Amino acid sequence: AQKVTQAQTEISVVEKEDVTLDCVYETRDTTYYLFWYKQPPSGELVFLIRRNSFDEQNEISGRYSWNFQKSTSSFNFTITASQVVDSAVYFCALSEAGGAQKLVFGQGTRLTINP
Amino acid sequence: EPEVTQTPSHQVTQMGQEVILRCVPISNHLYFYWYRQILGQKVEFLVSFYNNEISEKSEIFDDQFSVERPDGSNFTLKIRSTKLEDSAMYFCASMGSGRIGETQYFGPGTRLLVL
Repeated sequence: AQKVTQAQTEISVVEKEDVTLDCVYETRDTTYYLFWYKQPPSGELVFLIRRNSFDEQNEISGRYSWNFQKSTSSFNFTITASQVVDSAVYFCALSEAGGAQKLVFGQGTRLTINP
Repeated sequence: EPEVTQTPSHQVTQMGQEVILRCVPISNHLYFYWYRQILGQKVEFLVSFYNNEISEKSEIFDDQFSVERPDGSNFTLKIRSTKLEDSAMYFCASMGSGRIGETQYFGPGTRLLVL
C-alpha cells in the first residue's frame, strides 16, 4: 500500500531563512512518481515538481530545491531565502506506475513566513 | 495556458439534497479525477475516469456518489443525498495521455457546505 508521511504539521520561520519540508513515502512498487503541490490561502493546488523513482538527481528551480533519496524513501523540499509569498500548505504526493495513477497525499505542512 | 475549471466555487446545501459539481478538464486530456479535502486535512482520492468509465474508486466513493462525462467537455460529480460529513473542498484534476508519471493538473476546487 502507498503511504506518504509529512511529519511536520506546521513550520514558522522569519523571512529570508532557509526552510526544509520533509516527506517520507512507502510503496511496494519499483516504479513510482513523487510530487510536490503548493496550496496557498486561496485554496487551489499548484503543481511544483514531479520526480520518477529512477531519477535521484536533485533539482533546483530558483529558490526551490528538492532532494530525493531512495535509500531513506525521502523526497525533501527546501526553500532558500524564504519570502512571505511562500506561506502556504505544501503537500507531498505519490503515484504508482500501474492502474489509474491516483495521487496519495501526505497530511501537508503549513508553512508560515513571517516578515 | 490551459487550465481546469470548476463550478460553482462555493455551494451550500441542505442535508439530503442532491448536488452536482462541475468540472471542465483541459481540452486534450483523457484522464479525469475527483479528490476531496475536508477542512484542515489532507487531499483524498475519490475516483478516476477514463474512456467513459470509472477506472478506480476509493472506499469513500460509495453508492451516493456518481460521475459522468455528459458531453465532450464537462466532467461531473453527483452526490445523491448529501450528509454533513460531505462538507469539504472537492477538486477535479485531469491528466493528458496517461503516460506513466504524467502530472495531474487541478482545478480551483468547489467548497461544499452541507447544513
